[in-house]
Amino acid sequence: AQSVTQLGSHVSVSEGALVLLRCNYSSSVPPYLFWYVQYPNQGLQLLLKYTSAATLVKGINGFEAEFKKSETSFHLTKPSAHMSDAAEYFCAVSANSNSGYALNFGKGTSLLVTP
Amino acid sequence: KAGVTQTPRYLIKTRGQQVTLSCSPISGHRSVSWYQQTPGQGLQFLFEYFSETQRNKGNFPGRFSGRQFSNSRSEMNVSTLELGDSALYLCASSIGTATDTQYFGPGTRLTVL
Repeated sequence: AQSVTQLGSHVSVSEGALVLLRCNYSSSVPPYLFWYVQYPNQGLQLLLKYTSAATLVKGINGFEAEFKKSETSFHLTKPSAHMSDAAEYFCAVSANSNSGYALNFGKGTSLLVTP
Repeated sequence: KAGVTQTPRYLIKTRGQQVTLSCSPISGHRSVSWYQQTPGQGLQFLFEYFSETQRNKGNFPGRFSGRQFSNSRSEMNVSTLELGDSALYLCASSIGTATDTQYFGPGTRLTVL
């Protein structure tokens, strides 16, 4: 089964500091990986996705993630945190069945940005 | 292009009742997926519909069901509600392949009393 694990349910950074949110995947086949963000009382918004093209993926709002097969990781980073980045972040893998697919999500990481 | 819309946004029901939630996908999208989000279990996949056929199903009891119409709009139904069904129910639409971005609606917040 394809799954992801997010390390750290809560991460706190200072405004302007590096943001690093960790995600490790488990998959017997090349995975398709996604990072989503959720603001309070809203649905999920795609930040970026990896679909086996470039290993360094750039997304919206200055976020990027690097696919590392040797480490089975897909960590999300942003060089300088803004207050508006405070939200819940979810890593997900596209899990294929014989007939369709679904997103298997990690438990999420709540990012707090302090002034 | 309009986004994914879900109605209603909030619902309060009592145990034993049933509920129907609606989702209108982005125009041109043929795949609609449903997810349940709770603080304890996180985001869990319920089912996916593609061209009016259920193509994939998560590990939920038969009280949870869904359908998709010819215009790709989808409904999910929960019968005999339990307290544990209180959750945010999210709908997502996509073109329908594994690499496609799933676009999420704002969700329906269901509270079961």
